[in-house]
Amino acid sequence: EAGVAQSPRYKIIEKRQSVAFWCNPISGHATLYWYQQILGQGPKLLIQFQNNGVVDDSQLPKDRFSAERLKGVDSTLKIQPAKLEDSAVYLCASSLDPPRQGAQQVQFFGPGTRLTVL
Amino acid sequence: GENVEQHPSTLSVQEGDSAVIKCTYSDSASNYFPWYKQELGKGPQLIIDIRSNVGEKKDQRIAVTLNKTAKHFSLHITETQPEDSAVYFCAASKNSGYSTLTFGKGTMLLVSP
Repeated sequence: EAGVAQSPRYKIIEKRQSVAFWCNPISGHATLYWYQQILGQGPKLLIQFQNNGVVDDSQLPKDRFSAERLKGVDSTLKIQPAKLEDSAVYLCASSLDPPRQGAQQVQFFGPGTRLTVL
Repeated sequence: GENVEQHPSTLSVQEGDSAVIKCTYSDSASNYFPWYKQELGKGPQLIIDIRSNVGEKKDQRIAVTLNKTAKHFSLHITETQPEDSAVYFCAASKNSGYSTLTFGKGTMLLVSP
């Protein structure tokens, strides 16, 4: 079974530029997550999709970050304009179903995209 | 919201020794506690998880214990090997609705040959 795919693996941009990341979840996984992992910290959820609908974007800085999941499969995360503090690894994860009573679903993570903002 | 504290931040052991990583959580409603291993340049990978209806779970050299009264859980690795060297994250969530994982800050484990 193929894992979660992400691209690019690395990206270096100047502040105020824009950048986009792409994620392809495991086939059949309904739930997709984007996390931000700053160096030395654990992943922090930015946004969660159930199929192509957003179920949690409470920690997404909506003035500069946006995300979409067209057709409930692939997803893109965009930052515009980027700030120095956006330097981090952006992780995509997927799970078979959304968390539901008594059945928290295992999340499978992709390799991440390392973003450096200069 | 949930807050997860993880200790120690770094842990160095000799090959063959045991390693213990501890986490505490703040939300008494949390009832799912996974542990992830992250190797350099890779995404986190689930190594073991525990739900609140059990106090301990074991998988070969890895075990997790949970104390719901004290709101803490621990990862135990026995007979450590150099390939166990990585960053380990604990996390907590509730098994309801669209509740999400809250991660600790991670523990860098270094196993020396």
